[in-house]
Amino acid sequence: AQSVTQLDSQVPVFEEAPVELRCNYSSSVSVYLFWYVQYPNQGLQLLLKYLSGSTLVESINGFEAEFNKSQTSFHLRKPSVHISDTAEYFCAVIRMDSSYKLIFGSGTRLLVRP
Amino acid sequence: DGGITQSPKYLFRKEGQNVTLSCEQNLNHDAMYWYRQDPGQGLRLIYYSQIVNDFQKGDIAEGYSVSREKKESFPLTVTSAQKNPTAFYLCASSKFGGIQDTQYFGPGTRLTVL
Repeated sequence: AQSVTQLDSQVPVFEEAPVELRCNYSSSVSVYLFWYVQYPNQGLQLLLKYLSGSTLVESINGFEAEFNKSQTSFHLRKPSVHISDTAEYFCAVIRMDSSYKLIFGSGTRLLVRP
Repeated sequence: DGGITQSPKYLFRKEGQNVTLSCEQNLNHDAMYWYRQDPGQGLRLIYYSQIVNDFQKGDIAEGYSVSREKKESFPLTVTSAQKNPTAFYLCASSKFGGIQDTQYFGPGTRLTVL
């Protein structure tokens, strides 16, 4: 069975500081990887995804994530965060062998302080 | 504007009552999904449907039922058999239900059992 682990339930950081949100997965088959963001009392929005090709993927608002197959990781990073980045971030995987099910991590709450 | 709507935003239910959560999309997507979100946990799949008049159980289908009579609509009924229904419920859709398709989420319904 596959699983997704987000070890940090909350990450406090000061504005303009860099941040890394960790995501590790386990799976017996290859997977596609996703990061979603959830603002308070809202649904999830896709932040970025890795399907194939370059292992470094970027979002339009400055986040990036790197797929590391040997370490089975897909950590999310941003070099300088803003107050508006305060939200919950979910890592998710989907198996390549025809499963339609997204498997989510438990989420990491990013709290950006002024 | 295309998107996914869920209603109501907040729902209160007495124990022993069935309630139905609405999910509508005008994105012309074939696939639709229902997830449950509990505090400190990721999303868990309740049911999904890849085409009209067909749906499959997810990981936690017990105590829930769905229908897919129209492409645009995928209502979820929380029955009295669901032991712990208080949660945040999210509906999602994707174009074809393929593993590379992005899932788009609605704003959610927060259900509280009194």
